Amino acid sequence: SAVISQKPSRDICQRGTSLTIQCQVDSQVTMMFWYRQQPGQSLTLIATANQGSEATYESGFVIDKFPISRPNLTFSTLTVSNMSPEDSSIYLCSVERDRPYEQYFGPGTRLTVT
Amino acid sequence: GQQLNQSPQSMFIQEGEDVSMNCTSSSIFNTWLWYKQDPGEGPVLLIALYKAGELTSNGRLTAQFGITRKDSFLNISASIPSDVGIYFCAGPERFGNEKLTFGTGTRLTIIP
Repeated sequence: SAVISQKPSRDICQRGTSLTIQCQVDSQVTMMFWYRQQPGQSLTLIATANQGSEATYESGFVIDKFPISRPNLTFSTLTVSNMSPEDSSIYLCSVERDRPYEQYFGPGTRLTVT
Repeated sequence: GQQLNQSPQSMFIQEGEDVSMNCTSSSIFNTWLWYKQDPGEGPVLLIALYKAGELTSNGRLTAQFGITRKDSFLNISASIPSDVGIYFCAGPERFGNEKLTFGTGTRLTIIP
């Protein structure tokens, strides 16, 4: 498995502002993923972040709204820009480790936009 | 994209009962993963299945990779209070693609 931490664990933000979420892994990993989980819903992939290349975004998610950095093999950030109440969700990072497709998740960042 | 439907959507059981849930897809999957999410936490990987027909256990949990490769099943025996949570199935969208599609989830509640 992997030990993954996220900061902040939760935040309440005003609309129009931006929040940067950090994800730290205890060992080097090639692939990191960012997910959004809206209240009472399943997980939706936002983007895949590989070190040394631009993040790959899923349909419905754009870099201007969710810029991602991946400066090294143990760290990534996701920024939620120009927030609106519809951005209120849990944001989760994950890494693929051990066997193919097995992803391990951080504890999540619970974001509330007022 | 692919959709994974989980059934039932929610379950209310008494402690000690066995639990069965399933996950179905409209297309073939080559890998099935089962996760559990506790309130306020990220999902935790329970079991991974890689071959059709495979039956794998993790303590009181047993998961099976359906023979048609379009479904998977998770059973929990002798449920205890800490089994409460949401169970998600997941699988890669396409073979060789690391992106996972997650199911709709089954919420398990234990009635005291």
